[in-house]
Amino acid sequence: GDSVTQMEGPVTLSEEAFLTINCTYTATGYPSLFWYVQYPGEGLQLLLKATKADDKGSNKGFEATYRKETTSFHLEKGSVQVSDSAVYFCALRTPNAGGTSYGKLTFGQGTILTVHP
Amino acid sequence: DGGITQSPKYLFRKEGQNVTLSCEQNLNHDAMYWYRQDPGQGLRLIYYSQIVNDFQKGDIAEGYSVSREKKESFPLTVTSAQKNPTAFYLCASSITGAKHFGDGTRLSIL
Repeated sequence: GDSVTQMEGPVTLSEEAFLTINCTYTATGYPSLFWYVQYPGEGLQLLLKATKADDKGSNKGFEATYRKETTSFHLEKGSVQVSDSAVYFCALRTPNAGGTSYGKLTFGQGTILTVHP
Repeated sequence: DGGITQSPKYLFRKEGQNVTLSCEQNLNHDAMYWYRQDPGQGLRLIYYSQIVNDFQKGDIAEGYSVSREKKESFPLTVTSAQKNPTAFYLCASSITGAKHFGDGTRLSIL
């Protein structure tokens, strides 16, 4: 079945440091890939997505490139801020057999990021 | 503003009781989902519904029930058969795949 593996946290960085959170996946077919962010006490927010190989998703200084050859979708940011402290989830979605957009999301276990001033 | 509203934010249940978690959306989305979040385990799908009056079991449906009588509403009942209900429950909806999430309900056992 489909699965997503994220690097284990927690990750602790100083402000302005470079961030990488690794994500690899196993899926049948051609999944879409997502990064979600969860701030304390809140639900998940979509951070970025990529729907086909070599696509790069980007938002708020975060980037991730869909690498089919390595089945990876690593999240990066060049200079983190204290406000980036949150839990980050990598996820994939494969369409239903009928090709509709209702395919369920499979999530990684989440990576806690803490950024210190 | 459009969005997903989950209520209550915190919920306490006594042993042997059923409790119902509310999820309402005004995004006009067809599909709605319930996830359970436990520390270190990410999110696991409980139930999902693609259209009114239809729903399917997810990966961990045992001990839960849902209904979808209206497009806007997808309540989740945690029954007494769910032996470990303490968790953070997230509702989501979607129309083109990318999901919108509510702020969650934290359920605890007294």
